[in-house]
Amino acid sequence: SQQGEEDPQALSIQEGENATMNCSYKTSINNLQWYRQNSGRGLVHLILIRSNEREKHSGRLRVTLDTSKKSSSLLITASRAADTASYFCATDGGSNYKLTFGKGTLLTVNP
Amino acid sequence: NAGVTQTPKFQVLKTGQSMTLQCAQDMNHNSMYWYRQDPGMGLRLIYYSASEGTTDKGEVPNGYNVSRLNKREFSLRLESAAPSQTSVYFCASTRTGNTEAFFGQGTRLTVV
Repeated sequence: SQQGEEDPQALSIQEGENATMNCSYKTSINNLQWYRQNSGRGLVHLILIRSNEREKHSGRLRVTLDTSKKSSSLLITASRAADTASYFCATDGGSNYKLTFGKGTLLTVNP
Repeated sequence: NAGVTQTPKFQVLKTGQSMTLQCAQDMNHNSMYWYRQDPGMGLRLIYYSASEGTTDKGEVPNGYNVSRLNKREFSLRLESAAPSQTSVYFCASTRTGNTEAFFGQGTRLTVV
């Protein structure tokens, strides 16, 4: 079964609003990553947070990690129509080699 | 740099035909991966190669074989295609297993 599970499956917001997506996972990890996929394209890496970190920022992105709850959240602030995409979390399951992805959250930002 | 290059981009096969999906990366990465993406299922790991000379099964390996030809290239072979293998296939690479993954643009495969 897949290591990460995103929630919600779909999210629709207005431009300028904030979008929050959550990810839960099952086993210990070395790090957790978030990716974006525009329709019909490959995935693009957004941000990586290590297991000993609790929060990380990159531009309009903020990621939190709670290893005790085995969960992470991705916050996109001041969203834009160009942020419309699917967002996936990915974990390594502590294996150092096996990167597994969740099913993704489809974010739609309406202009 | 081209990054991760997959060929072909599109392919239609008849049931029972075989084909090989090619993947090459020019970033000197150690680890490479093959995923399939189906609607509502996200990405599922088919096979991965932690380093040159090694390959391991992922979540959904049945019906597939892989070859890590050298450090750059990692191919995925369907020996006898089935309609259930209709999917979008992505190749990815990482410097090591738990670092940023770079993806190819995908191969859209239809088996009729």
